[in-house]
Amino acid sequence: EVQLVESGGGLVRPGESLRLSCVASGFTFKNFWMNWVRQTPGKGLEWVAHIIPDGTVTFHVDSVKGRFAISRDNARNSVYLQMNNLGPEDTAVYYCVPWGHDVYWGQGILATVSS
Amino acid sequence: DVVLTQSPLSLPVTLGQPASISCRSSQGLVSSDGNTYFHWFHQRPGQSPRRLIYMVSNRDSGVPDRFSGSGSGTDFTLKISRVEAEDLGVYYCMQHTHWPFTFGQGTKLEIK
Repeated sequence: EVQLVESGGGLVRPGESLRLSCVASGFTFKNFWMNWVRQTPGKGLEWVAHIIPDGTVTFHVDSVKGRFAISRDNARNSVYLQMNNLGPEDTAVYYCVPWGHDVYWGQGILATVSS
Repeated sequence: DVVLTQSPLSLPVTLGQPASISCRSSQGLVSSDGNTYFHWFHQRPGQSPRRLIYMVSNRDSGVPDRFSGSGSGTDFTLKISRVEAEDLGVYYCMQHTHWPFTFGQGTKLEIK
């Protein structure tokens, strides 16, 4: 059974940082592209970041470029999203999304940025 | 960025009747490798999204055959032959041919 355990969300003030983690099991993690997707009531679903299986190439959407960084540790079956200089517009539920022939979604974790 | 425009945004349906959702892309979605990386997702209230259809017309494992996807180029359609109660929720189209990958704004399927 596929399990995705996301952690690291919470309430922070503008300008602060959060580091999201996702620990995966139940599939061959090292073969999957890993992604973070966020969802807000106002903007819907937004693909935030993407990392290829060996971790050497990453993509970030323009709205987070320079502030967020996706990384992975295949030995720990884990993917991370370091989020710096957060703003209210980053408030969202963040999903860990492994993508291979099959696609899985985590349960989502809420990050709230508010003063 | 590729903009995916879904219609309608709200779709009241009668159980047992068919339903159809359209998604139009602002750019062609055929990749340099010849594949079209276009997919449909479904999200029930309070749940994470789940992929239903991949690469335009292929059903994911466990997806009932009442769901079908079609289209090419910039115009795509999701059809449900007979809507059941478990089909309610929001449907999203999505492309990952061009970075950044993008979603449509969602179509809410609800009971009439």
